[in-house]
Amino acid sequence: GAVVSQHPSWVICKSGTSVKIECRSLDFQATTMFWYRQFPKQSLMLMATSNEGSKATYEQGVEKDKFLINHASLTLSTLTVTSAHPEDSSFYICSARDYGTTSDEQYFGPGTRLTVT
Amino acid sequence: SQQGEEDPQALSIQEGENATMNCSYKTSINNLQWYRQNSGRGLVHLILIRSNEREKHSGRLRVTLDTSKKSSSLLITASRAADTASYFCATSNSGYSTLTFGKGTMLLVSP
Repeated sequence: GAVVSQHPSWVICKSGTSVKIECRSLDFQATTMFWYRQFPKQSLMLMATSNEGSKATYEQGVEKDKFLINHASLTLSTLTVTSAHPEDSSFYICSARDYGTTSDEQYFGPGTRLTVT
Repeated sequence: SQQGEEDPQALSIQEGENATMNCSYKTSINNLQWYRQNSGRGLVHLILIRSNEREKHSGRLRVTLDTSKKSSSLLITASRAADTASYFCATSNSGYSTLTFGKGTMLLVSP
């Protein structure tokens, strides 16, 4: 149980295009999902907290107009990188918290590797 | 700045040996968690230890927490080549708050 999937696993896009990444909780409901980015050989940096039915909360320094987050249902959150540039190339990971438990645990997706050429 | 700082940054050992990784943090926490990440993959939750706990075991894993020193350690006993991965600690200030990750320790276990 407690599986989180991400789609796509990897994507290569041209500079200036937009890319959408999906994060799904497969066997539980998640009112809260989190989006992280990770540069090679570095740690995870929280980008934003996504709450179902409301606006996402962005961390300081993260451009909300560039990284659009939508959490339309209890099992799906999307991150859209708009007008992507090579510096946006990174590993994007989402996590979700199980709404049905009091557990503090976050369940992580397998990540999406974005390469912008 | 990041809450957790792991050391060492990288560790290379032989199969069968024990591996110890340390994590220090700066502010009060509700809990501290350890995760494993294989290269280019997502994170796997290993163990959670609450601020009122001092030690926890899970299989070959042993985690300690010293809130007075704001530090935690992860011990992997009888390591295996499959344990090769990066290990991160992550802290949470309250039950449902966000996680703040440390920089991680890269562990290489040679056969």
